[in-house]
Amino acid sequence: GAGVSQSPSNKVTEKGKDVELRCDPISGHTALYWYRQSLGQGLEFLIYFQGNSAPDKSGLPSDRFSAERTGGSVSTLTIQRTQQEDSAVYLCASSLVPGGSTDTQYFGPGTRLTVL
Amino acid sequence: GEDVEQSLFLSVREGDSSVINCTYTDSSSTYLYWYKQEPGAGLQLLTYIFSNMDMKQDQRLTVLLNKKDKHLSLRIADTQTGDSAIYFCAESRTGGTSYGKLTFGQGTILTVHP
Repeated sequence: GAGVSQSPSNKVTEKGKDVELRCDPISGHTALYWYRQSLGQGLEFLIYFQGNSAPDKSGLPSDRFSAERTGGSVSTLTIQRTQQEDSAVYLCASSLVPGGSTDTQYFGPGTRLTVL
Repeated sequence: GEDVEQSLFLSVREGDSSVINCTYTDSSSTYLYWYKQEPGAGLQLLTYIFSNMDMKQDQRLTVLLNKKDKHLSLRIADTQTGDSAIYFCAESRTGGTSYGKLTFGQGTILTVHP
């Protein structure tokens, strides 16, 4: 597709359940990022994938959060045993090559997660 | 450490210019970005500036960078009601452990009155 796509657009779950959020980056983009947007914390970096390198997980808030990127393309963010404070909009972005003028990150529409 | 600050609200009349300000603390910031977010939507890239530039103009948008004061501004000329949105300033670096990751300001809510 032309842009970054994410699914689902909305997810409502019960506290304690696991959820999976999906991101399809722009074709050919080597870098993929996950961010979280919440009222209290603003926009926060979660995790970053670049090619076959080990991901930068420094932004993940707890070990209940994990992410993988298969085949250098699609990424899945998994939240285990969800808590109410996990409620937020989860945004995915991709860029062609990190660290230069082509590092411009293009964002998907986000997944709104609500934990009841 | 990394810190990006913006004023939270700006209100202007249609046709006036809007100026949204941003300050950052990391002197190793390489690229600085402005993103726009409309209600219920994702982040739309508006423009970016490389840290060795002072100014960048793109149609109605003008970005000014004062690297000495670590101050970035976005000027929107002839502001329209469709410009009402949240504007985020963000910075990234090209080295170290934070390679490529964006650090965002809190966002400025721009309201344009007819």
